[in-house]
Amino acid sequence: GNSVTQMEGPVTLSEEAFLTINCTYTATGYPSLFWYVQYPGEGLQLLLKATKADDKGSNKGFEATYRKETTSFHLEKGSVQVSDSAVYFCALGSQGGSEKLVFGKGTKLTVNP
Amino acid sequence: EAQVTQNPRYLITVTGKKLTVTCSQNMNHEYMSWYRQDPGLGLRQIYYSMNVEVTDKGDVPEGYKVSRKEKRNFPLILESPSPNQTSLYFCASSPQYTGELFFGEGSRLTVL
Repeated sequence: GNSVTQMEGPVTLSEEAFLTINCTYTATGYPSLFWYVQYPGEGLQLLLKATKADDKGSNKGFEATYRKETTSFHLEKGSVQVSDSAVYFCALGSQGGSEKLVFGKGTKLTVNP
Repeated sequence: EAQVTQNPRYLITVTGKKLTVTCSQNMNHEYMSWYRQDPGLGLRQIYYSMNVEVTDKGDVPEGYKVSRKEKRNFPLILESPSPNQTSLYFCASSPQYTGELFFGEGSRLTVL
């Protein structure tokens, strides 16, 4: 079945450091891929998405490229801020009889000043 | 303001005492879903609904019931809660199923 594997955390960085959170997936067909972010005490919010191979999703300085050849969707940001501290979830959208998102387990990011 | 509202936000209850977690969205969304979030397991889907009167099981439906009598509401019912249902629950909605979900703020349930 469909699955998502993302790097385990926690990840601790200093402000202005470069961020990469790895995400790989297993899926049949052509799924859509998403990154969601959960700030402390809140629900999840969509951060960015990509719907087909080679698409790049971007938002708030974060980027991720849908790589079908490596089945990956790694999240990157060039310069993190303290306000980026949150839990990040990679997700795969499946359709056709099971309309749901399959989530990774989440990666907690802490950014120190 | 567009939002998904869950109630209660926090609840401590005892084994076997029926409870309902309400979920309401004001965006006229067709698709709604319930997830539970547990440490080390991420989010797992409990039930989803493509539209009024249409519901289906997710990955972990055992011990839960849902109903969708109105488009805006999608309550989660625990008929006889057990300690293994202690979790953080999220309701989410979407205009149609696209994977772009709007989440509520979560309901933290403890079953003693």
